[in-house]
Amino acid sequence: GQQLNQSPQSMFIQEGEDVSMNCTSSSIFNTWLWYKQEPGEGPVLLIALYKAGELTSNGRLTAQFGITRKDSFLNISASIPSDVGIYFCAGQFSSGNTPLVFGKGTRLSVIA
Amino acid sequence: SAVISQKPSRDICQRGTSLTIQCQVDSQVTMMFWYRQQPGQSLTLIATANQGSEATYESGFVIDKFPISRPNLTFSTLTVSNMSPEDSSIYLCSVVGGTGARNYGYTFGSGTRLTVV
Repeated sequence: GQQLNQSPQSMFIQEGEDVSMNCTSSSIFNTWLWYKQEPGEGPVLLIALYKAGELTSNGRLTAQFGITRKDSFLNISASIPSDVGIYFCAGQFSSGNTPLVFGKGTRLSVIA
Repeated sequence: SAVISQKPSRDICQRGTSLTIQCQVDSQVTMMFWYRQQPGQSLTLIATANQGSEATYESGFVIDKFPISRPNLTFSTLTVSNMSPEDSSIYLCSVVGGTGARNYGYTFGSGTRLTVV
């Protein structure tokens, strides 16, 4: 099946540092989404991107839908301890309410 | 976004038995999906729960092992049948698309953590 390549797999950063993670695919995506999952919980939607080139922010989070429609990145500025978790990118190949394909996740650890 | 209640939140089951997981949404939604997340892994789609008809299963998942019901636009169940330790995972319900003017995007329940012993 289709796959998303997400990197890095894990990150250990100091509190206050900025974080960047990205996803790429060999296929064109219609929608990109970024989720965060904390232990014992389901993924929570952070940002949704619907147009190539779109740049969207949600507080300290910023994500972009790549121009080629085959990639997306998520930046977190001035990290804090509660940013700890697993971040997943997810994509949708076609329009409409079709299922999502997920990346393998980036595990973020923040050292105070 | 939609509020999803998924039950049970966790269970420990004996091999060979079956467990039914419920997903209740506070409003009508267009689509409901079931995902599996194996320990330390990403999410893998099991099937799309279709209202009033048989679920659409992804490659590697079959109805006999994972029967799914969706009797209306707010409720679905996933059964994990004849369980083995390899079925130990988190099972997640996801919904998308409210009816009428409300669109929920892709929202997930908090998951059911299943351990098979």
